[in-house]
Amino acid sequence: GAVVSQHPSWVICKSGTSVKIECRSLDFQATTMFWYRQFPKQSLMLMATSNEGSKATYEQGVEKDKFLINHASLTLSTLTVTSAHPEDSSFYICSAPKPDRGYGYTFGSGTRLTVV
Amino acid sequence: GQNIDQPTEMTATEGAIVQINCTYQTSGFNGLFWYQQHAGEAPTFLSYNVLDGLEEKGRFSSFLSRSKGYSYLLLKELQMKDSASYLCAGGRYGGSQGNLIFGKGTKLSVKP
Repeated sequence: GAVVSQHPSWVICKSGTSVKIECRSLDFQATTMFWYRQFPKQSLMLMATSNEGSKATYEQGVEKDKFLINHASLTLSTLTVTSAHPEDSSFYICSAPKPDRGYGYTFGSGTRLTVV
Repeated sequence: GQNIDQPTEMTATEGAIVQINCTYQTSGFNGLFWYQQHAGEAPTFLSYNVLDGLEEKGRFSSFLSRSKGYSYLLLKELQMKDSASYLCAGGRYGGSQGNLIFGKGTKLSVKP
């Protein structure tokens, strides 16, 4: 139980275009979704926290106008990378607290973004 | 602060025991998690400590000392498939839901 489906698994886009990444909670309602970014050989860095029906909370140094987060329903949160640049190439992954809070968190499978 | 420190790389031999240490600044965390991550994949949950002491789950054990800001992950009877990055993460609770703050990970290489 508590599965988060993340799509796409990988995407290649041209510099200047926008890319949307979706995370769906399949068998539970995710009121909160955390978005992380991981550069090669680096740790997962929390970018922002989205809450259903309200504005996302961004971590210091993350541009909210560049990384648009929408959490319009209890089962879907999206991250849109706008005007992507090569330095945005990274591994993006979402995570939601498990409903029973037993062992905390469930992760999406991640999206490998390459901007060329 | 919430810095989390762990060694960058470790090497061990198949069948051996390895201990991966993690130190953190004690403010703001409620619970300490360990995850395994293979390159390009999502982290996989291994263990969670909220109280001091040792938690054992099969070949994996994790220890926490909250007063010392110290945790370790112990892997026994190492297998080649255990070659991966191991992430130490602090659970941070704020507002209605908390999040995880990750260390940089320890890349473990298991050799025959």
